[in-house]
Amino acid sequence: NAGVTQTPKFQVLKTGQSMTLQCAQDMNHEYMSWYRQDPGMGLRLIHYSVGAGITDQGEVPNGYNVSRSTTEDFPLRLLSAAPSQTSVYFCASSYSNRGPSNYGYTFGSGTRLTVV
Amino acid sequence: SQQGEEDPQALSIQEGENATMNCSYKTSINNLQWYRQNSGRGLVHLILIRSNEREKHSGRLRVTLDTSKKSSSLLITASRAADTASYFCATGPSTGSSARQLTFGSGTQLTVLP
Repeated sequence: NAGVTQTPKFQVLKTGQSMTLQCAQDMNHEYMSWYRQDPGMGLRLIHYSVGAGITDQGEVPNGYNVSRSTTEDFPLRLLSAAPSQTSVYFCASSYSNRGPSNYGYTFGSGTRLTVV
Repeated sequence: SQQGEEDPQALSIQEGENATMNCSYKTSINNLQWYRQNSGRGLVHLILIRSNEREKHSGRLRVTLDTSKKSSSLLITASRAADTASYFCATGPSTGSSARQLTFGSGTQLTVLP
């Protein structure tokens, strides 16, 4: 059981470059989300999805795009990387499309992104 | 904006002692959850307490919830060096457009000294 798998684990980008952070889960969870974690800021929700074909914005969506073509995959795209996007990114999934409030999250191990 | 705020920000104790962390939140909630994060790792779900529960136990963990004060506490008894980690509370509003979202506090960094 792999759970939630994130790739890559580390990435360095130059300002203006684009990239996609990959996230896959094998638990048939309906709900998936992306958070960023910055020192002293806790985790902030970027985007989330309640099922294939359905996505919505979280607290800090600017500069990021997502899509959910399958139940398993939820990639996060950085359109034009900026130093302010230097952070640790976590993908998380939850059983119910009603959200993680009742069932909690399973988290991936994170992607540490540095934008120079 | 952060729904939950943990207190203290950092806590250092000796192995065998109890550790207590607190969480305050702002809006009505369905449930409150606690997570642990070891250094360089993802968060791990520890325990969920529902809004109609006042106390819940899981092994060495004891969680209380006071909805009138909008606060929760996490007690770790007989702490071990392996308990060294950051601990986060997470809440989601019971109603409104954000009901499907879970918001995390900034965490308490617990250090257990051997």
